[in-house]
Amino acid sequence: DSGVTQTPKHLITATGQRVTLRCSPRSGDLSVYWYQQSLDQGLQFLIQYYNGEERAKGNILERFSAQQFPDLHSELNLSSLELGDSALYFCASSVGSSGTKETQYFGPGTRLLVL
Amino acid sequence: GENVEQHPSTLSVQEGDSAVIKCTYSDSASNYFPWYKQELGKGPQLIIDIRSNVGEKKDQRIAVTLNKTAKHFSLHITETQPEDSAVYFCATNTGFQKLVFGTGTRLLVSP
Repeated sequence: DSGVTQTPKHLITATGQRVTLRCSPRSGDLSVYWYQQSLDQGLQFLIQYYNGEERAKGNILERFSAQQFPDLHSELNLSSLELGDSALYFCASSVGSSGTKETQYFGPGTRLLVL
Repeated sequence: GENVEQHPSTLSVQEGDSAVIKCTYSDSASNYFPWYKQELGKGPQLIIDIRSNVGEKKDQRIAVTLNKTAKHFSLHITETQPEDSAVYFCATNTGFQKLVFGTGTRLLVSP
């Protein structure tokens, strides 16, 4: 158990809908990272938040947005969903701001299915 | 952008054999190289990492080697066990403040 929690575990929705994925980082970690894992694209970095502020951005679509709250939990909002958004969404956390030089701990993921 | 190639995509070994997975990268500024293990239905878990100031790191049955000149790094697992069966991902950092992952290697260890 990494200490990172994600809810829900599974999510089934329809095209055009909006969903919110939630992540709680490990105790003491200030950074939260969101990743998308699909069969054809592999594991792709979406966005990082550090202590409430956006720190780095990856291949995140404009239909997707995220935020980190004062208690450090984070939410990833996916809107106008398309079939191609079906994937596993992982949250990871790390102690500091530089997740590219320190260990990132991954949560169990949320499996999103868009029908 | 940064590109990480990982080979092989699948690897089948007998219990007790060694397994080697190789990755190559393109950004000469990369200086952090973690390896993750992902079991079915779970998130990736860090198993070992190496920084660019060392050429090799070992942790029990797992070792990683880094060749910065050739821009490749490898994961070595010795005395494989069935519980080593999983998908393994290499990764490295880029100047764009993100980790880039390889495409994964599915390792199957047969008893």
